[in-house]
Amino acid sequence: DAGVIQSPRHEVTEMGQEVTLRCKPISGHDYLFWYRQTMMRGLELLIYFNNNVPIDDSGMPEDRFSAKMPNASFSTLKIQPSEPRDSAVYFCASRPLAGGSTDTQYFGPGTRLTVL
Amino acid sequence: AQSVTQLGSHVSVSEGALVLLRCNYSSSVPPYLFWYVQYPNQGLQLLLKYTSAATLVKGINGFEAEFKKSETSFHLTKPSAHMSDAAEYFCAVSDFGNEKLTFGTGTRLTIIP
Repeated sequence: DAGVIQSPRHEVTEMGQEVTLRCKPISGHDYLFWYRQTMMRGLELLIYFNNNVPIDDSGMPEDRFSAKMPNASFSTLKIQPSEPRDSAVYFCASRPLAGGSTDTQYFGPGTRLTVL
Repeated sequence: AQSVTQLGSHVSVSEGALVLLRCNYSSSVPPYLFWYVQYPNQGLQLLLKYTSAATLVKGINGFEAEFKKSETSFHLTKPSAHMSDAAEYFCAVSDFGNEKLTFGTGTRLTIIP
């Protein structure tokens, strides 16, 4: 199993530009989570999906952030327009349905975003 | 709302010494508790989890944690530290039926040769 795949691993962009982060969950996993990690705020849940449907987006910081999951094997997190304070490491995680909320979330390697 | 507090953002221990990383939780209902480890430039990996079965939970790499309801604690221990244990460790909590994991602020473990 390849694990959760995220791309790009590093992204450097200028303020005002659109940024798209991509995630491929583990095959067969029903849940997908997007997290953001910063020194100031630690690890925060932004949004999660169940069977491609967004369930809770209360952690999305602003309307500049949007996430989609068009099919079971792909999700995107988009920031438009980007700002320097969006600089962070963004993680995607997935988990299967079977174990319920106690089941393990499997994390991708993250995308390190730098907005200049 | 549930939360976890990790005491000590940085912990240093000598190789071969006991590792003790502290986590206290706050939850209005019996929680599920997790310890994750993050190696440099990598994602988080589950070490162990408590899901209301045995209160002493054994995980990977020789780590274990004990759920103590009276102390609202879930401290992580390892009898003998190894250089490869150097990483950041996160405690997390969720409630039954709640898909969200709430993470602590993390503890960076340094191993002294």
